[in-house]
Parts: sequence; structure tokens; C-alpha cells
Amino acid sequence: RKEVEQDPGPFNVPEGATVAFNCTYSNSASQSFFWYRQDCRKEPKLLMSVYSSGNEDGRFTAQLNRASQYISLLIRDSKLSDSATYLCVVNMRSGGSYIPTFGRGTSLIVHP
Amino acid sequence: NAGVTQTPKFQVLKTGQSMTLQCAQDMNHNSMYWYRQDPGMGLRLIYYSASEGTTDKGEVPNGYNVSRLNKREFSLRLESAAPSQTSVYFCASSDSGREQYFGPGTRLTVT
Repeated sequence: RKEVEQDPGPFNVPEGATVAFNCTYSNSASQSFFWYRQDCRKEPKLLMSVYSSGNEDGRFTAQLNRASQYISLLIRDSKLSDSATYLCVVNMRSGGSYIPTFGRGTSLIVHP
Repeated sequence: NAGVTQTPKFQVLKTGQSMTLQCAQDMNHNSMYWYRQDPGMGLRLIYYSASEGTTDKGEVPNGYNVSRLNKREFSLRLESAAPSQTSVYFCASSDSGREQYFGPGTRLTVT
């Protein structure tokens, strides 16, 4: 079982829709959590960090559920430009280091 | 600031050839990472360096070596390239446990 799992999709939604992605992780020692966006053949770029209390950045809301070991990303009022692959990342503490593990990504396609 | 830079952007190798991928960051980050990304596989960690002078294996280290030359630079070497190493390679840096910043990637083809 992969340590960080995501539904690969694709999620195909119309403009203006609300869409949500989940990401589950298996290691309860996980320390920090992030969502990245990756456009085709480009490098991943940070979308937002995920805090225990949940956090919002414009149309994007991220939440963490430590008890059930998952993080979520909600996108409201989807735009065509939101079409991309969304990667969740979990950092696990190992000795004095943090080891990042990526999910395989969820593909989002927003159509007119 | 340039952020994270990688060279080369593209490379074609024949089986058995060697090469070194270069990575540099100007954000004064302690930690640096090398990943490979294959279709449908997501990013897989090859090696990481938590701080200058240390390196550790990630999920898929076989066939690779790394050098943390100084705080800014972290190189990845393929001693004897194989077709299975055809991939896109990303370098990243971060402060410990914080968000990572990625370079633009190197697209490597081994024939």
C-alpha cells in the first residue's frame, strides 16, 4: 500500500462548479502537509500548506483530519485555469530529518 | 532571486554513458532533494540532503549517486545510464519540514 494515496481522476467539471479532493496517508507520525499544483510537463508549485485548524486562500480551502489520516482540498467556483494535476505531500519525521512523500496526483479538467 | 536552477534541461544518453545533473538554490535552504517523475507514478524521492554534508537514500536510489557540494548545490550522477532511467528529474529545496521549491526539471532519455 502506498503511503500517500490520491484518486487519480480525472475530475471533469464545468466552470463554476465546486470540487473536492481527498488524500489519505498511512503514517501517523506525519508532521506537515501541503497541496501542490502541477501543470503539464512543468515543475510542481506550492498551492497551500495545510494546517490542523484548516485554512483558506481565496477559492481554495484545505483541511486536515489527523484522526482519520486524510487531508482535503476544496476548490469553489472553478475556473478554466484551475485545470491541472493536484499533488498532496506529507512530510514524515525521521530522526532529525523530514522526508516528503508525494501522492500520485489528482487530475482536474474544468470545461466551459 | 533565481530560486532553484537545474542543468541541463534536456539530455539524451546511450545506455552505459554517465552524466551529472546539476542543481543550485539561492534561498539559503538547508534541505535539498532529487526526484524522478514517470507517467502515472507521481514524484518519487531518489536522494535527499537534510543539511550540508549529509545525504540519505530515498525511495528509489539504485543506479544513482549524489553529492552535496555546499549549501547551495546538490548534484545527481548516473554512472551507467539504463533505459529504465528515462524520466523527468526534479530538484527541490526547502527549510526543514517546510514547503519545497522546485527547479524546472531535466528531461532525460536513455536509448
